[in-house]
Amino acid sequence: QVQLQQSGAELAKPGSSVKISCKASGYTFTSYYISWIKQTTGQGLEYIGYINTGSGGTNYNEKFKGKATLTVDKSSSTAFMQLSSLTPDDSAVYYCARARVDYWGQGVMVTVSS
Amino acid sequence: DIQMTQSPSSLPASLGDRVTITCRASQDIGNYLRWFQQKPGKSPRLMIYGATNLAAGVPSRFSGSRSGSDYSLTINSLESEDMAIYYCLQHNEYPLTFGSGTKLEIK
Repeated sequence: QVQLQQSGAELAKPGSSVKISCKASGYTFTSYYISWIKQTTGQGLEYIGYINTGSGGTNYNEKFKGKATLTVDKSSSTAFMQLSSLTPDDSAVYYCARARVDYWGQGVMVTVSS
Repeated sequence: DIQMTQSPSSLPASLGDRVTITCRASQDIGNYLRWFQQKPGKSPRLMIYGATNLAAGVPSRFSGSRSGSDYSLTINSLESEDMAIYYCLQHNEYPLTFGSGTKLEIK
């Protein structure tokens, strides 16, 4: 069965970076993009962008350009998202999802606090 | 970006009721519309894809429909396990965009 296993919760200081992972199993990894989504109580669900798991090509929502960097390691079927220059507004649950969002990871809570 | 206007934001209902949630797309999205259910502390679960198709394992009391740019999720004969937040998603063009959510709760 399709599974997306994400890394654990992060507590980060303002100005720092975090890198979260999403390991896929149960399907051919390179056949589907990996999407990333931000969820907050105030803004709801926001689409960050996707990475082509075969070529490494990316497509970012304008809002998240410069904030998120998506990468992939095909050898381990794992996608990564780095969030940089963190502010309290980046505190959220971040999900990875397969392709146009059919299967989701369990989410990673990122808390930015001094 | 395509705006998805979802209503209502909150929907009190009784067990056994029939309820409908609606999303209106600001541009043509064809049938590239999905509905998700999210329970507290859990990831969203795909319920409907292609505007009208039931995802695997979803009870038949759930259905999706389209009228022009309005997309609806209907739940017949509400059960307690259906109490959750429901979101629509358009995946016709990037960036994908979600509706703001409907919290379905017991009246």
